[in-house]
Amino acid sequence: QVQLVESGGGVVQPGRSLRLSCAASGFTFSSYGMHWVRQAPGKGLEWVAVISYDGTKEYYVDSVKGRFSISRDNSKNTLYLQMNSLRGEDMAVYYCAKEGEWLTDYYYYYYMDVWGKGTTVTVSS
Amino acid sequence: DIQMTQSPSSLSASVGDRVTITCRASQSISSYLNWYQQKPGKAPKLLIYAASSLQSGVPSRFSGSGSGTDFTLTISSLQPEDFATYYCQQSSSTYTFGQGTKLEIQ
Repeated sequence: QVQLVESGGGVVQPGRSLRLSCAASGFTFSSYGMHWVRQAPGKGLEWVAVISYDGTKEYYVDSVKGRFSISRDNSKNTLYLQMNSLRGEDMAVYYCAKEGEWLTDYYYYYYMDVWGKGTTVTVSS
Repeated sequence: DIQMTQSPSSLSASVGDRVTITCRASQSISSYLNWYQQKPGKAPKLLIYAASSLQSGVPSRFSGSGSGTDFTLTISSLQPEDFATYYCQQSSSTYTFGQGTKLEIQ
């Protein structure tokens, strides 16, 4: 079955780094864009970053630009999020999600159709 | 950046009720609008994509409508398992979620 499993979360001091991983199975990983989405405690969902199926395009929310880097290894079916210079406001559950797409006559529509269970990042001194 | 605003932020309803949640975009996003359901401690689940297309396996009591800047998610007859938080998301220019609507049992 289609599955995403995140790992790498933990407790980290402000200013330090952490790398999250997302292992994919049950679908052709190299054919789909992939996302990171986070949710701070008691808050709503925030989209963080997306990477194209081949890793050539990356986009980020403004609050993480220059600090976070999304990447993928299609040979290992794994997505990554390198998080540097961590701040208190980065504390959240981080989800990876598969990008689904629907092609109509003229347009592609994109959405997130498969989600992992999340990994928790705690930023604390 | 495109901002998404949902209303109401919270809603109390009873089993069997018809419920509508509204999502407004700060600029036109055509039909690039998705809806998700999230239960406490769980990952979000896709309900509706492209404003009105029902994701496979989602009950037909869920429906979506709208285009441009104004969108709605309707649950035609609430079931006990529908009490959750609902988020809209635009995919016209990168991605933005609404702040969420918490649907509670009355």
